[in-house]
Amino acid sequence: QVQLVESGGGLVKPGGSLRLSCGVSGFTFSDYYMSWFRQAPGKGLEWVSYISDSSRYIKYADSVKGRFTISRDNAKNSLYLQMNSLRAEDTAFYYCARDRGAAADPNDYWGQGTLVTVSS
Amino acid sequence: SYVLTQPPSVSVAPGQTARITCGGNDIGSKSVHWYQQKPGQAPVLVVYDDSDRPSGIPERFSGSNSGNTATLTLSRVEAGDEADYYCQVWDSSSDHRVFGPGTQVTVL
Repeated sequence: QVQLVESGGGLVKPGGSLRLSCGVSGFTFSDYYMSWFRQAPGKGLEWVSYISDSSRYIKYADSVKGRFTISRDNAKNSLYLQMNSLRAEDTAFYYCARDRGAAADPNDYWGQGTLVTVSS
Repeated sequence: SYVLTQPPSVSVAPGQTARITCGGNDIGSKSVHWYQQKPGQAPVLVVYDDSDRPSGIPERFSGSNSGNTATLTLSRVEAGDEADYYCQVWDSSSDHRVFGPGTQVTVL
């Protein structure tokens, strides 16, 4: 069955960096776009970034552009999110998700999330 | 940027019908997706492309989209339907994905 497992979350100081990973199984990773989303505690869902199957096409939300970098390793069935210059407002659960298709398509499988806390 | 609106909460008695709206400028021209999220869990896709259901989602979940409003309808509501529901679209002008603020459904 399809599984997505995020890791790498934790406590980091403002201005610090963190790298999230998402390991997947149960489908051909290299055939799918992938995305990152986040949800601040008690708040709604926010799209963060997506990456095409070949990594050729990448897009970021304005709130993270220039600070976050999405990448993938199709050989390792893994998705990544490098987060730099972290701010308190980046505190959230971060979810990776499989894209059913391209940009306009929904996300049909989600991981359980990893918590990132930015605090001094 | 494209803005979606949702009512903060909807209450419904078991067995009745709940309708959750998602408002946006000419949203009828976009494909709307709906996600269910229960406390402490990841979102689950329940309706996509306005009215299609992923495999495993009960027929009680249905969707429609026209004009400036998309609607998720929960028929014959059960206690297990209690959750937050989010609508989502792709804004082609910014190439961004956009979520509504979410609607909390309470089963009385």
